[in-house]
Amino acid sequence: DAEITQSPRHKITETGRQVTLACHQTWNHNNMFWYRQDLGHGLRLIHYSYGVQDTNKGEVSDGYSVSRSNTEDLPLTLESAASSQTSVYFCASSETGYNEQFFGPGTRLTVL
Amino acid sequence: AQSVTQLDSHVSVSEGTPVLLRCNYSSSYSPSLFWYVQHPNKGLQLLLKYTSAATLVKGINGFEAEFKKSETSFHLTKPSAHMSDAAEYFCVVSDGNTDKLIFGTGTRLQVFP
Repeated sequence: DAEITQSPRHKITETGRQVTLACHQTWNHNNMFWYRQDLGHGLRLIHYSYGVQDTNKGEVSDGYSVSRSNTEDLPLTLESAASSQTSVYFCASSETGYNEQFFGPGTRLTVL
Repeated sequence: AQSVTQLDSHVSVSEGTPVLLRCNYSSSYSPSLFWYVQHPNKGLQLLLKYTSAATLVKGINGFEAEFKKSETSFHLTKPSAHMSDAAEYFCVVSDGNTDKLIFGTGTRLQVFP
């Protein structure tokens, strides 16, 4: 069955370190999205991609970057982790023209 | 700009009683609307989706939602709550033709025995 996976599921890091969260989907979807989930805010969009070599900033993109070198993967990098980036991160994918998104299980990131 | 407002951050019901989770939306065009459910420590799962076909949408696990344009509402209901319905529920609106989604802040449903 097609799926979307995230790794690691849990990560503890220190302020200032670079961290990369992986997202891999086997749906063959063109669209991929990264969100963060915080209490009282729902899910907020960090970055998204409509296809290989395409990346776009979402509403809370400061301090994050992504790159899309193939259809299956959209890694999220925190260049210099900050305590404010402690959150649960979700990756999602969808097919072009279809706004129903399929979500990964999430990564819980703690920045100390 | 598109947005959704979930009117209750927490809802508590007894098992076997009806569930009502309220959502109002704002959109400058005819939107697609969704309800997603998130069980503890899990990802989000689609419950149901409205895309300008029938205004009463049936979803999984006995949930349904009614699109009311005059009230700009998309409330989620279920006739009889089950313990397994305890979760966080998100009302979501499409962001134009961008394939992006805009999430509400969520409603936590508690179900008591």
